[in-house]
Formats: sequence, C-alpha cells, structure tokens
Amino acid sequence: EVQLVQSGAEVKKPGESLKISCEGSGYSFTNYWIAWVRQMPGKGLEWMGIIYPGDSHTKYGPSFQGQVTISADKSVSTAYLQWSSLKPSDTAIYYCGRRYSYYDSSGTQRWTAFDVWGQGTMVTVSS
Amino acid sequence: EIVMTQSPATLSVSPGERATLSCRASQSVSNNLAWYQQKPGQAPRLLIYGASTRATGIPAWFSGSGSGTEFTLTISSLQSEDFAVYYCQQYSIWPLTFGPGTKVDIK
Repeated sequence: EVQLVQSGAEVKKPGESLKISCEGSGYSFTNYWIAWVRQMPGKGLEWMGIIYPGDSHTKYGPSFQGQVTISADKSVSTAYLQWSSLKPSDTAIYYCGRRYSYYDSSGTQRWTAFDVWGQGTMVTVSS
Repeated sequence: EIVMTQSPATLSVSPGERATLSCRASQSVSNNLAWYQQKPGQAPRLLIYGASTRATGIPAWFSGSGSGTEFTLTISSLQSEDFAVYYCQQYSIWPLTFGPGTKVDIK
C-alpha cells in the first residue's frame, strides 16, 4: 500500500526551530515529487513547495520562499519541512502529498496532481 | 502566479440533487486541473485530474469538464458522504495554486 506518514503534532514557542517529516512507503520514493501544503485554521489549502527526492530539486511558492526549507533523505524515504524561527502565524496543519505521474501514448511522462496524502501535522506556535 | 477562483463559496444542496461547482484560472492552464474533496479533520482526497479523469476509486457520479480557464465539477446525485469542501488546483505552471474552495452543505 502506498502511504505517506507524517510526524506528530508539535507545540512550539515563537522563535523556536522545527523540522517535521513525511515518510513514504509502498513505492519508489526517489521517483515522485513530494509537496507540502499549509492549511491555517478554518482556511483553505496553500501550496508551499515541492521536492524531487531523486535529485533534491526543489521549488517554493513565492509566499514561502525564504520562510521554510524543504529537504529529503532518500536513505530513509523521508521528506522534511523546517523552520528556523517560528512565528504564531505558522500555526496550521501541514500536509505532504505525492505528485502522481503516468506515461502517455507517446511514452512521455506526465506529472499531474497529488494522489496520496499524509495525515497532516498540526503545528501550534504560541507563547 | 496563476490565481484560481471558485464559485459559489457555499452551495446548499439536498441529498440526491445535482451539484455544479465552478473553477476559473486567471490564465490558461490547458487541462492541467485537479479537483480535491476535503472533509473535516481529514486530508484532501484527489477526485479528478486532467480536468476530467477520475482518480482511482472515485465513483462515477463525480465528473469534471472544461479546459483553458473555465472548469466544472459536477456531482450528479449527492450522497450523504459528499458533503464537504471542494478545491480546484492548477498544475500547469509553478507555483501550483489552489482555489479558495466551495463548501457543499446540506439544504
């Protein structure tokens, strides 16, 4: 079974650092992009960024560039999202998602949407 | 950045009725458009990708259509388990962006 399992809930103070994780299993971890998505309390989904674990190529959404770091460790099939200095506005649920791909009739790989999701990690930042 | 908009913000529907949700992109995304369902306390669930292809295990009463900048998700006969928030997402151009969501609730 293809799964993404995220680390548990965190309660932190402003200014603290944090690294949360997303472990993939049941598929070739290095061959699929993994994205991070934020959901602030009562709000919608925001795409933060994405990493290709095979070569650690990473892209960030403009609102998140410089605010977080996305990384991956192929040896343990795990992607990470980290903050160096948390703010109360970072309070949210963070989801990881695997980007689905298929090969079309011409043999070209097509990257599409996010077909497998982690269960979410609740991060609370409060003094 | 491509801005996604969805309408209506809330749709009140009776069980068994048809629901039509709209999604618009600020520029063409071709057919690189997905729909997700999210229930309270759960992760999003992929329903549709490629604007009209149902994901694995998604029932046939969900259908998607459109291309370019205008897209529609249709739920042909709402079941009790379909009351949720629905998001569209474009994956044509970085950054990949979500719409603000449409909440489908019970009339």
